[in-house]
Amino acid sequence: GAGVSQTPSNKVTEKGKYVELRCDPISGHTALYWYRQSLGQGPEFLIYFQGTGAADDSGLPNDRFFAVRPEGSVSTLKIQRTERGDSAVYLCASSSTPGTGSYNEQFFGPGTRLTVL
Amino acid sequence: RKEVEQDPGPFNVPEGATVAFNCTYSNSASQSFFWYRQDCRKEPKLLMSVYSSGNEDGRFTAQLNRASQYISLLIRDSKLSDSATYLCVVNGAGGYNKLIFGAGTRLAVHP
Repeated sequence: GAGVSQTPSNKVTEKGKYVELRCDPISGHTALYWYRQSLGQGPEFLIYFQGTGAADDSGLPNDRFFAVRPEGSVSTLKIQRTERGDSAVYLCASSSTPGTGSYNEQFFGPGTRLTVL
Repeated sequence: RKEVEQDPGPFNVPEGATVAFNCTYSNSASQSFFWYRQDCRKEPKLLMSVYSSGNEDGRFTAQLNRASQYISLLIRDSKLSDSATYLCVVNGAGGYNKLIFGAGTRLAVHP
């Protein structure tokens, strides 16, 4: 079946601009996660959605970052007034509903490579 | 101090070698532990979960020491196709949903 898809695969923008990154999770997966991976580092957690609501947004670096998932499926990560330091690969992952005391595998999409000039 | 720390690498080994990666984590409340594999410019993929009793999957063996907050991955009989970055991962504080990744250890297997 289809995996997690992300668009665009690459995005080049200028400092100060607004960008939107899209994630299409695996069909039926209620949990969706955004991570950011800088060069030479592991992915860094940004936000977790369970259904339509953000259950944990503790990883968002500041108020320029915002994410939505209005219908509990597709999610959009929005970055306002982009800065050069926002340049990274933005990864989306999805999983079936995590149970209490258990872990459901997170499947990652190919990522969006964001470059802020 | 980073929440998950790994050997910096890179590890350059010949085919057939045995190689071991180590990882330590700082949050004693972590409950879930994993090794992910990431190929160059690709997304991370789950290699294996790590259990307290230790577990093996073919040539790969993972160990967890909760007292020392230490995780290891052993790869036996290395193949060229094992060349990748190996990420040590634990679940973050507050639940099972937030994964905390180490910076990764790069492995290069040569003929």
